[in-house]
Amino acid sequence: AQTVTQSQPEMSVQEAETVTLSCTYDTSENNYYLFWYKQPPSRQMILVIRQEAYKQQNATENRFSVNFQKAAKSFSLKISDSQLGDTAMYFCAFMKLRGATDKLIFGTGTRLQVFP
Amino acid sequence: GAVVSQHPSRVICKSGTSVKIECRSLDFQATTMFWYRQFPKQSLMLMATSNEGSKATYEQGVEKDKFLINHASLTLSTLTVTSAHPEDSSFYICGASGGTDTQYFGPGTRLTVL
Repeated sequence: AQTVTQSQPEMSVQEAETVTLSCTYDTSENNYYLFWYKQPPSRQMILVIRQEAYKQQNATENRFSVNFQKAAKSFSLKISDSQLGDTAMYFCAFMKLRGATDKLIFGTGTRLQVFP
Repeated sequence: GAVVSQHPSRVICKSGTSVKIECRSLDFQATTMFWYRQFPKQSLMLMATSNEGSKATYEQGVEKDKFLINHASLTLSTLTVTSAHPEDSSFYICGASGGTDTQYFGPGTRLTVL
């Protein structure tokens, strides 16, 4: 069975600084997807970034980038130039490469606080 | 990104009544919808997965007779909490995917059972 571990329950960063959130996972699959979702105080889950395991290149979305280390089963999220609006709960998630019908396996989340 | 709506956003009901929550994909066809429950400061707990026109697949420990799921069309799924009790009070979130390998989420429904 797949598991996703987020070892940092809480993190904080000053506005404009950079922060990295950690995520490790365990699977015997070779092809899969990894995601970072953000849940701000409104509780709306928002997709931040997605990585296909068969792609070596790390995904990037504006200020958000990942460091995907397949052999180490590590998938960290780097937020550059942190903004107050980045304050949220961040969830790392895993999905097998079976298309849209398969379920997400979530980590326990990391609460990020960005302060002025 | 794809948009998923959920209605109502909040509902308060008396113990013993049934509550229906709707989840709609607004700009895409959702072949699969997921229903989650989230307790305060915790991660999302998957309750069930439904494919359009098929019976839902429930996760272990989730009572299918208590949490009725209907996925009647490619844009609508409903979750009915039957004979709700205070312990059913929670935040319920739906997820939807279709055609891509990404799940998009509704804004959630806060259920309070008195």
